[in-house]
Amino acid sequence: NAGVTQTPKFQVLKTGQSMTLQCAQDMNHEYMSWYRQDPGMGLRLIHYSVGAGITDQGEVPNGYNVSRSTTEDFPLRLLSAAPSQTSVYFCASSYGQRENEQYFGPGTRLTVT
Amino acid sequence: AQSVTQPDIHITVSEGASLELRCNYSYGATPYLFWYVQSPGQGLQLLLKYFSGDTLVQGIKGFEAEFKRSQSSFNLRKPSVHWSDAAEYFCAVRNTGGFKTIFGAGTRLFVKA
Repeated sequence: NAGVTQTPKFQVLKTGQSMTLQCAQDMNHEYMSWYRQDPGMGLRLIHYSVGAGITDQGEVPNGYNVSRSTTEDFPLRLLSAAPSQTSVYFCASSYGQRENEQYFGPGTRLTVT
Repeated sequence: AQSVTQPDIHITVSEGASLELRCNYSYGATPYLFWYVQSPGQGLQLLLKYFSGDTLVQGIKGFEAEFKRSQSSFNLRKPSVHWSDAAEYFCAVRNTGGFKTIFGAGTRLFVKA
């Protein structure tokens, strides 16, 4: 099993550009989520999904879109990048029972200039 | 709304000394509680979790945590710290009615020889 994979590992964008961060898992997990990590702020939930076709907003959803067309993939789209979106982004997944822990990808470091 | 507080931004302990990292949560019922560890440049790894039963839970790498309902706390402990424990530690809360998981800001642990 590859677990949770994220691409790219690093990305530099100019303000106003758009891009998609990719996330895939091969564990047949129902639940997937996206977090951003900023110094001193821990991980903040951007969007999450409890299954294919179902997504919901987290704590900081503005400026981001998600979709879940398959169980395996959960891409995060930045519509018009802003310097405030400079961060490290983590994707995570877990089985559908609420007591189950999340498995995290290695992260994508994004810089917006 | 649920929230998680980790009061200590960073802690320094001597190798071989005991460790306690604090976590307090705000939630109306007993949530699911997790501790994760993040080594530099890595994703997060689960240390332990609590969702019911014995309030003292054991985890990997010799860590344990105790759930105290009266104090809304879930503190992480280790009797003897090793240099390899230097990392950032995150407490997380998942409500019992859904899958949304909220993380604390993290505590960075430094271990001195």
